[in-house]
Formats: sequence, structure tokens, C-alpha cells
Amino acid sequence: ELKVEQNPLFLSMQEGKNYTIYCNYSTTSDRLYWYRQDPGKSLESLFVLLSNGAVKQEGRLMASLDTKARLSTLHITAAVHDLSATYFCAASYGKLTFGQGTILTVHP
Amino acid sequence: DAGVTQSPTHLIKTRGQHVTLRCSPISGHKSVSWYQQVLGQGPQFIFQYYEKEERGRGNFPDRFSARQFPNYSSELNVNALLLGDSALYLCASSSYREGGLQETQYFGPGTRLLVL
Repeated sequence: ELKVEQNPLFLSMQEGKNYTIYCNYSTTSDRLYWYRQDPGKSLESLFVLLSNGAVKQEGRLMASLDTKARLSTLHITAAVHDLSATYFCAASYGKLTFGQGTILTVHP
Repeated sequence: DAGVTQSPTHLIKTRGQHVTLRCSPISGHKSVSWYQQVLGQGPQFIFQYYEKEERGRGNFPDRFSARQFPNYSSELNVNALLLGDSALYLCASSSYREGGLQETQYFGPGTRLLVL
């Protein structure tokens, strides 16, 4: 059974700092997703990573995938308050299996 | 193009009642999946339908059922509601490539169900 673990679960960052969220998955997956969720809202798709070594960047967020290590990272550069949200990774093999989520708070 | 749509957006029910949630996929998508997200947790897979047939089922009791219609829209039904069924119910649609590889799933806005 595919299991997905994220860490950290809670992340309090200062504006302007960098940090990385880690996502480990237990068995083969055909793609890895990163989502953002604001309170009371649905999931906003950030990145879909398909192959080993894939790297995608959008603004201050960059995601990468290492299929051999079964590890994906979401790197945040120079955090700003607007990035405060819950971030989920999900591994796909037919159905999506989600991690527990990382609650990110960016403060001045 | 319209994205995935779900109705209703919010719903309040009492224990023991029945609820039906609806989802319309993105045009051209033939697969619909349902997820339950309890407050403070990640979404959990409930069902996947493709071409009107059940393709997968998560670890949910038989009170949960679903179906997909010829136009690829879908309904999720929950009988004998419990307080613990209070959650955000998310629908996702996707297409399939030749050879059976599922393409990216896109989520709808969700239906927030409160059971009192």
C-alpha cells in the first residue's frame, strides 16, 4: 500500500527566509503532486512531477522529484506572507495518496 | 473551459439522514474520483469511476456508494450519516492516455458537509 509522509507538519517562517518541505512515499508512483490549500477552500494544484530528476519552479516555489529515493521536495525561497497556507504532497498510482499536510505560517 | 464543478457547496444534515453529492468533470474527462477531507487531515480516497465502471474503492464503509452517468458526471451517496462524516468532499476528474495511464487529476471546489 502506498504511504506518503511529509515533514515538517508545522512550519513557522520569517519573511525573507528559505525552507524546504520534504515528501517521502513508500512504493512506486507514476506522478507526484504538490497542492496548496487555503482555509475552507479546495486544493490548488501547484506542480505535477512525472519523472526522476524533474524540477519545476513557479515564483518563490520550486519542486523536485527523486524517484530512486522516493522523495520530493518543495523549496520556498524568500518567503512572503502570501505563502501562508497548508501544502500537501500526493503520490499517484491510480488513486491519489496524500501526505498529512504542512501548515506554513510566514510572519514578519 | 469550465473546470470541475460540484454541488451543493454546503450542506447541513442530521445523523441518520442520507445525502447525495454531485460532480461534473472537465469536458472530455471520463474519470471521476471522490475524496473525503476531514478537518486537519489530508484528503482520503473514496472511489474512482471510469467509463461508468468502478475502478477503485478506498477503505470506507458500505454506507458510501457512488455512480457515474453516461455524460461522465457522478454522484456520491452516503446513507445513515454519522457525525464523523462531517468533512469536505472533493471530486477530481482526469482523462486517460492510450495504454491506460491516467493523466493529471483536477479538483473541484468541494462540498462541505456538516452532520449534526
